[in-house]
Amino acid sequence: GAVVSQHPSWVICKSGTSVKIECRSLDFQATTMFWYRQFPKQSLMLMATSNEGSKATYEQGVEKDKFLINHASLTLSTLTVTSAHPEDSSFYICSARFGPSPDTQYFGPGTRLTVL
Amino acid sequence: QQQVKQSPQSLIVQKGGISIINCAYENTAFDYFPWYQQFPGKGPALLIAIRPDVSEKKEGRFTISFNKSAKQFSLHIMDSQPGDSATYFCAASYTGNQFYFGTGTSLTVIP
Repeated sequence: GAVVSQHPSWVICKSGTSVKIECRSLDFQATTMFWYRQFPKQSLMLMATSNEGSKATYEQGVEKDKFLINHASLTLSTLTVTSAHPEDSSFYICSARFGPSPDTQYFGPGTRLTVL
Repeated sequence: QQQVKQSPQSLIVQKGGISIINCAYENTAFDYFPWYQQFPGKGPALLIAIRPDVSEKKEGRFTISFNKSAKQFSLHIMDSQPGDSATYFCAASYTGNQFYFGTGTSLTVIP
């Protein structure tokens, strides 16, 4: 199946700093990329949807200025958590889709963010 | 509001047994119902998916049963193995954009 990578796989940062997480589709061009957040033992919650070259669409309750999403190319999307706080500690998962059908969507391995 | 409700929260099955996980949804516009398997520290991986125009889909040991009138669907894992121990999420989608995930089921298969 298609491969989606995330970097880093885990990161620890101090409160108030910014952290960038990369999501790459390795063997296909992703028309759309999605960012999810998952708290321990909980479900995945969609944070935002991004299409290459256009602004991301954020879900209700997600702060645009705090979670900056850039979809610079058809194979790369980045999520920057600005001025991170301990409550931002979570598992962040991206997914990438290469076609109109939902079964063309593949998930990355996730990034564990811990804010001290 | 939880768009997709999943049960049970956890499940323990003997090796060789059948694991059954259930999901229910409200939005009749949903037209794609996947099941994902997630291991600790990893992203979810698509197991099997179904569209509402069929009542059952089988792939190897995994079967989805779909009841459109009841707005319910379930995952059956036949001949469960210890390697199947993971968290399983059902999901629902329309237009293929936003996926609404269930709350997850932690499956443990005892040798």
